[in-house]
Amino acid sequence: ELKVEQNPLFLSMQEGKNYTIYCNYSTTSDRLYWYRQDPGKSLESLFVLLSNGAVKQEGRLMASLDTKARLSTLHITAAVHDLSATYFCAVERTDKLIFGTGTRLQVFP
Amino acid sequence: DVKVTQSSRYLVKRTGEKVFLECVQDMDHENMFWYRQDPGLGLRLIYFSYDVKMKEKGDIPEGYSVSREKKERFSLILESASTNQTSMYLCATHLVNTEAFFGQGTRLTVV
Repeated sequence: ELKVEQNPLFLSMQEGKNYTIYCNYSTTSDRLYWYRQDPGKSLESLFVLLSNGAVKQEGRLMASLDTKARLSTLHITAAVHDLSATYFCAVERTDKLIFGTGTRLQVFP
Repeated sequence: DVKVTQSSRYLVKRTGEKVFLECVQDMDHENMFWYRQDPGLGLRLIYFSYDVKMKEKGDIPEGYSVSREKKERFSLILESASTNQTSMYLCATHLVNTEAFFGQGTRLTVV
């Protein structure tokens, strides 16, 4: 059974700081996705990672995938308040997505 | 843009009621999914469908059923609502190697 774990579950960070969210999964997969969810809203896609070593960047966020380690990271550079949200990773398994528990990020001044 | 539309943003139902959650997508995708989202548990797959008339159980199907009579529409049915089904329900469509597109969510409260 595929399990997807994220840590931390909650992250409070100061503006301007850097931090990394980790996503570990238990069985082989080459496809991993990151989503953002704002309070009361639905999920929107951030990154699609489709192979070992894939790296994607958008603004202050950078995601990477290491399929051998079964690990993806979402790195936040110089955080700003607008990044406050919940972030989910999801691993693809036979056409379905299995989601992590989410990381709730709060950025304060 | 893919649009996935759920019929209600908020619903309040009584215990024992039969509840229908509707989802429509406009991209002609075969695959459609229903998830529920609870704090600390992430999104859990309830049911999914790869085509009209087809349905497959996800990880937590108990207490739910689904209907896919048309390609664009996927309905989630709570046969007899219970308080432990109070949750946020999300419909999505997803193709292999592409991101999933989600509806706006339905927050269901069962009292």
